[in-house]
Amino acid sequence: DADVTQTPRNRITKTGKRIMLECSQTKGHDRMYWYRQDPGLGLRLIYYSFDVKDINKGEISDGYSVSRQAQAKFSLSLESAIPNQTALYFCATSDSGGGSHMANEQFFGPGTRLTVL
Amino acid sequence: AQKITQTQPGMFVQEKEAVTLDCTYDTSDPSYGLFWYKQPSSGEMIFLIYQGSYDQQNATEGRYSLNFQKARKSANLVISASQLGDSAMYFCAMRETVDSSASKIIFGSGTRLSIRP
Repeated sequence: DADVTQTPRNRITKTGKRIMLECSQTKGHDRMYWYRQDPGLGLRLIYYSFDVKDINKGEISDGYSVSRQAQAKFSLSLESAIPNQTALYFCATSDSGGGSHMANEQFFGPGTRLTVL
Repeated sequence: AQKITQTQPGMFVQEKEAVTLDCTYDTSDPSYGLFWYKQPSSGEMIFLIYQGSYDQQNATEGRYSLNFQKARKSANLVISASQLGDSAMYFCAMRETVDSSASKIIFGSGTRLSIRP
């Protein structure tokens, strides 16, 4: 089984609809992240959470909200979807601690391809 | 502000040749980390290699090595003996300090590498 799972994998929705993307992880990591990927722009951070009680805005949080329901679950919501939110969305997790010499690399889910018509 | 720059949007390389993917970064933090990720056409993000800012030697992982030039603020990825399966998008990323106990990772815009048979 995959360590980081995302549901749904693909979604087509209409402008104005509310949509939720879900992420679950079995790695036991404290830290979870949501990114969106657009062609030519790489990955941009939407929100991140360092533990269940900690939620932080990333560089492009407008139009999005998140919920950290448990250590293993981090969901992303689009309250009123618009076409320019069409993108590939990634959830990621990482471990914490260990000092600056530790990689603590991020482990990514398979992505959710969202299309807003 | 901290920033990652990848100046090569696309590269073509003959199979079995070595290839260097460029990455420069900008940070005022004395402690930071640099990562390379691979994204094949299937979409998943695969961690390749990590270099800590205090590491004395360049990181190596199999055919991947990181040419870390701290004074020039560059962290180029070198792939030796390229293979057809190396064709993918490659992202350079940097761990950015949020506060004394937390950090997050920011990504460059990526380089699309194509290996010719």
